[in-house]
Amino acid sequence: DVQMTQSLSYLAASPGESVSISCKASKSISNYLAWYQQKPGEAYKLLIYSGSTLQSGTPSRFSGSGSGTDFTLTIRSLEPEDFGLYYCQQYYEKPLTFGSGTKLEIK
Amino acid sequence: EVQLQESGPGLVKPSQSLSLTCSVTGYSITSNYWGWIRKFPGNKMEWMGYISYSGSTSYNPSLKSRISITRDTSKNQFFLQLNSVTTEDTATYYCARSRGRIRDYFDYWGQGVMVTVSS
Repeated sequence: DVQMTQSLSYLAASPGESVSISCKASKSISNYLAWYQQKPGEAYKLLIYSGSTLQSGTPSRFSGSGSGTDFTLTIRSLEPEDFGLYYCQQYYEKPLTFGSGTKLEIK
Repeated sequence: EVQLQESGPGLVKPSQSLSLTCSVTGYSITSNYWGWIRKFPGNKMEWMGYISYSGSTSYNPSLKSRISITRDTSKNQFFLQLNSVTTEDTATYYCARSRGRIRDYFDYWGQGVMVTVSS
């Protein structure tokens, strides 16, 4: 199985700041990577797919980059509503696998 | 708008079967792929499997022969059955839509149902 590693389990930042969340695959997955946001009591929200393509409705302050094994989700100019859990997921091969999640807290 | 809603018992005894339903509105399950994903306490997530628009299935090998995903197209529902559960199956279970094939990411999710396995 492709192991997905999110090295930061917790991150705190202030509104207006920029943050980056990393995700590393145990083998090359090309750009077959998605990012999700989960907020308490809400459904998961797909933010980005194909490593860098914004899903319809995702604010432009979100961006994704990377290819191969190393990927980054960047949120520029944080808004208070950006708190939550962020997960990466590879879909290069089955079984589909997820990172361990990064909890973003807004200071 | 596509909406998914999980339902099922919140408590299952060890060795019994876990059965969940995902009701879909706003889109036909005869298109795309429809999956189950679970999140364990501590936030680890696991893709369990999915059923395609044609009724074919794909499962996570880690679940071996314990899992079955079926559907009722007349009700626009699909189902998860997980047999011989243990306390390690305690998790929040989500159903979600995947575009499938090279687009195996999930663009619509249910809100999840928490299932506890305990005697």
